[in-house]
Amino acid sequence: EAGVAQSPRYKIIEKRQSVAFWCNPISGHATLYWYQQILGQGPKLLIQFQNNGVVDDSQLPKDRFSAERLKGVDSTLKIQPAKLEDSAVYLCASSPFFGEGIYDTQYFGPGTRLTVL
Amino acid sequence: AQSVTQLDSHVSVSEGTPVLLRCNYSSSYSPSLFWYVQHPNKGLQLLLKYTSAATLVKGINGFEAEFKKSETSFHLTKPSAHMSDAAEYFCVVSRGAGNNRKLIWGLGTSLAVNP
Repeated sequence: EAGVAQSPRYKIIEKRQSVAFWCNPISGHATLYWYQQILGQGPKLLIQFQNNGVVDDSQLPKDRFSAERLKGVDSTLKIQPAKLEDSAVYLCASSPFFGEGIYDTQYFGPGTRLTVL
Repeated sequence: AQSVTQLDSHVSVSEGTPVLLRCNYSSSYSPSLFWYVQHPNKGLQLLLKYTSAATLVKGINGFEAEFKKSETSFHLTKPSAHMSDAAEYFCVVSRGAGNNRKLIWGLGTSLAVNP
């Protein structure tokens, strides 16, 4: 079974520029998550999709961050414009939607390391 | 409200000695609990999970964790550390129900394994 795919793996941009990240979840997984992980910290949930609907985006800085999941499969996360404090690893995860126990398990991609100069 | 506390930010052990990474949680109902591992420059990998079945949960790479409701703990152990176990470990509790179910992450414990 293929895992969660993310691209690019690394990105370096200047502040005020825009950047986009792409995620392809495990086939058949209904739920998709975007996390931000700042160096030395645990992951912070930015947004959670159930199919192509948003379940939780309470911690997404909506003035600069946006995300979409078209057709309930792939997803993109965009930052526009980027700030220095956005330097982090952006993780995508997916989970199936069967029973609660299985539903809980999230499978993570390798992440995209963003450096904002 | 659900929360999770990892009691040690950094643990150092010698190769071949036991590993103990401590985690306490608070939950208003029976939680789901997880341990994830993150090796340097790699994604997060599920080590094991507890979902109200057996209280002693066995995971990958020889790790196991015991759910102790009376102590609200879910400590991660391994009898004998290997150099490849050096990584960041996260204890995670699940809260909410249905579509609103989400994971609450601990701050992580960095495990160093010395030769």
